[in-house]
Amino acid sequence: SAVISQKPSRDICQRGTSLTIQCQVDSQVTMMFWYRQQPGQSLTLIATANQGSEATYESGFVIDKFPISRPNLTFSTLTVSNMSPEDSSIYLCSVVLRTVEAFFGQGTRLTVV
Amino acid sequence: GENVEQHPSTLSVQEGDSAVIKCTYSDSASNYFPWYKQELGKGPQLIIDIRSNVGEKKDQRIAVTLNKTAKHFSLHITETQPEDSAVYFCAASMGYGGATNKLIFGTGTLLAVQP
Repeated sequence: SAVISQKPSRDICQRGTSLTIQCQVDSQVTMMFWYRQQPGQSLTLIATANQGSEATYESGFVIDKFPISRPNLTFSTLTVSNMSPEDSSIYLCSVVLRTVEAFFGQGTRLTVV
Repeated sequence: GENVEQHPSTLSVQEGDSAVIKCTYSDSASNYFPWYKQELGKGPQLIIDIRSNVGEKKDQRIAVTLNKTAKHFSLHITETQPEDSAVYFCAASMGYGGATNKLIFGTGTLLAVQP
């Protein structure tokens, strides 16, 4: 498996502001993913972030709202922009090892007030 | 696109009993089916997975079965213990063959093991 560290682990933010979440992996990985988990719900993929290419966003998610950076093979950031209370969720980064096995960070619990 | 349904949404068992969680998927191109355990305040943890060329896989008290024809797969936990209490998610992807590794998750099952 991989050790995946996310920062911050939780935050309370004012509406209209932005928060950048960092994801650090202890090994080089090609494929990284960002997921959202709304309270009491399942995980929904926001985007795929492969190093060396633009992030690919899923339906319902746009780059202006969730810009992603992937500067190298061990690091990525997800920004939640112009936040509203509906953005209150757990945001999780994930990496894929051995072709298909996906491992997750501990998540960032975001509350927008 | 792929859709994964999961049942039941909640499951309560007595310690030592077995627990079974079932998932169905819609896209016959899906070829990889992992199961995750998520404890409160933590990220999902991969506990077992199965590829589409295998019908069953077992790891100690945990087993997963796959029926490709019916497009459903199940998680079986035997001799449940209180520490098995968590939310369990099934997922599906077309990861093998390199098409895409994105996971489509089921809706989750809250398992409570009563001591």
